[in-house]
Amino acid sequence: DTEVTQTPKHLVMGMTNKKSLKCEQHMGHRAMYWYKQKAKKPPELMFVYSYEKLSINESVPSRFSPECPNSSLLNLHLHALQPEDSALYLCASSQEAGGSYGYTFGSGTRLTVV
Amino acid sequence: QKEVEQDPGPLSVPEGAIVSLNCTYSNSAFQYFMWYRQYSRKGPELLMYTYSSGNKEDGRFTAQVDKSSKYISLFIRDSQPSDSATYLCAMIRGFGNEKLTFGTGTRLTIIP
Repeated sequence: DTEVTQTPKHLVMGMTNKKSLKCEQHMGHRAMYWYKQKAKKPPELMFVYSYEKLSINESVPSRFSPECPNSSLLNLHLHALQPEDSALYLCASSQEAGGSYGYTFGSGTRLTVV
Repeated sequence: QKEVEQDPGPLSVPEGAIVSLNCTYSNSAFQYFMWYRQYSRKGPELLMYTYSSGNKEDGRFTAQVDKSSKYISLFIRDSQPSDSATYLCAMIRGFGNEKLTFGTGTRLTIIP
């Protein structure tokens, strides 16, 4: 299995809703990442988990809350989002912290906040 | 000045042509270099990964790194319409620093 699987593929949520994005990999990778990508822009790093511990938080607002239940799973909990948070949310993993051997990205969750 | 500069295009070439995509960078600490292909509304797909200066070939794709000039390239031979996508260069310092730095991406269209 050489994939990163993200669910759901599409999500529409109101500004008062609580929802979660899920990411799963079974490649034995020990680092997992959340990225946010706006249209025609490169991905922007949000969070890094290394060996199931949060190692980087790129000053992301608290309405985004990551969780790493185990080495294969990564969640992103969403609460009280704003319309400007609408974007493609990408999960990625790498063999080791540092991603020296390249990152594997999922297909993303396209989030629309209304 | 951005750490990584990439011409956003768009770039349109006829089918069968050789495509050259380029990035320059300013931080000599970058050690690992990658090229990603991203189709519309999909996640980035790792195409090539290189470490040392020189060329690395994989099928129709060749990645070139010149660390002395801080310049990387991706060449696509015998380009196909299915190569139409956005190509992102990316690089990382490694040694436990987990932040991947992307170029802005070049939108490429191969015209049949």
